[in-house]
Order: sequence, then C-alpha cells, then structure tokens
Amino acid sequence: DARVTQTPRDKVTEMGQEVTMRCQPILGHNTVFWYRQTMMQGLELLAYFRNRAPLDDSGMPKDRFSAEMPDATLATLKIQPSEPRDSAVYFCASGPGDTQYFGPGTRLTVL
Amino acid sequence: GENVEQHPSTLSVQEGDSAVIKCTYSDSASNYFPWYKQELGKRPQLIIDIRSNVGEKKDQRIAVTLNKTAKHFSLHITETQPEDSAVYFCAAGHGNNRLAFGKGNQVVVIP
Repeated sequence: DARVTQTPRDKVTEMGQEVTMRCQPILGHNTVFWYRQTMMQGLELLAYFRNRAPLDDSGMPKDRFSAEMPDATLATLKIQPSEPRDSAVYFCASGPGDTQYFGPGTRLTVL
Repeated sequence: GENVEQHPSTLSVQEGDSAVIKCTYSDSASNYFPWYKQELGKRPQLIIDIRSNVGEKKDQRIAVTLNKTAKHFSLHITETQPEDSAVYFCAAGHGNNRLAFGKGNQVVVIP
C-alpha cells in the first residue's frame, strides 16, 4: 500500500532559523501539493507541481517560502527565515490527477 | 475561484444513527467531489469521491450524493460507530488537479 512520506514529522525551531521539509510522493504520481493546516484557516494550498514543474505558488509568502521538486521522488518546502506565525502542520499530497493522497504531515513549531 | 462551504460545523449523533454532512460549491464547472476523513493528529484520508456524471455513489456504510443543479453534495454515514468520530472535509475540483477544500465538520459519535 504505497503512501506519501514526509520528513521530519515534528520540528521545533527558533525564530529566524531555516526550516526544510521533505516529501516523497507516491511513485508514478505526477502532481504534488503543499498545504498548511491551522485551526483558524483550515487547509491552505501553498504550492503545487505537475510533472515537477511549478504551476502555482500564489498561496506562499514569496519572501520567505520556496518550494521545489529536484526530482520526481522528492519535493521540498523551505522557510527562511521562520517566524512564530509559521507554526502549523504542513502536508504534502500527491496524485495521478484529481485525486490527492496526503502524507502524515510535518508539525512545525517556531518559538 | 471555487468556494466550498460545509454545514453544520459540528454534528453529534448517537451510535447507530445516521449522519449527514452537506457541502455547497460555487463554480458550476467543478466536476470532481472527494470527501476526506481526518482523525486527531492524523493525515486527511480519502474515503469516497464522486464525479459530476454520477448522482450517487456508495461504499459500505458511506455514500455521497450530488445535486449539480443546486450545486451541493452530501456525505451520508449510516449505522455510525465511535470510530467514525473525526473531522470530515469536502472538496471540489474541475480538471486542473487543484481542489478547493471546505473548513471541515467535526462529527462526534456518542456511544
């Protein structure tokens, strides 16, 4: 039963530090999404890729967030510098088309 | 863009009773409607989905109905069990692989 994997599962860092989150999509899936989940905002789409090409990153604060897909097996989301308001659960999802399958998430706490 | 709303925000049901959650969407071009279940601290998990060429789909105790004219779709859970307690998210998409998510419904099954 193939699943999306994410690392790290938990990250506690101090304000101003760089944070890198990694995602391994399900083999063969050509779309990859990054979401942020908070109690107040729910699930927010940050960025997504199709066939490794970025299609939309309008949901991300451009000055501090960046998303890349170095290869078909790895997607990364970086925050530099991190701020306390970035504290949230970050989910990666992948899919063969419309259907999306979520990873376990990275719980980020910025002190 | 697409706007998806869910009602009610919280639903409490007695074990064994049925639960119904309704979602409305704004974009008549939307043609894919998945439902996700998220238990506390876990990933959103796809439980059922429906496409606009079908009016109803059923999988054991869960079913989804779609009314394209009224632009709403509903999740039906029959014979509820304690393990059905979770947050349920609906979403809508229309062919560009992006999904617009609702804010979620908390379902509580009372033993």
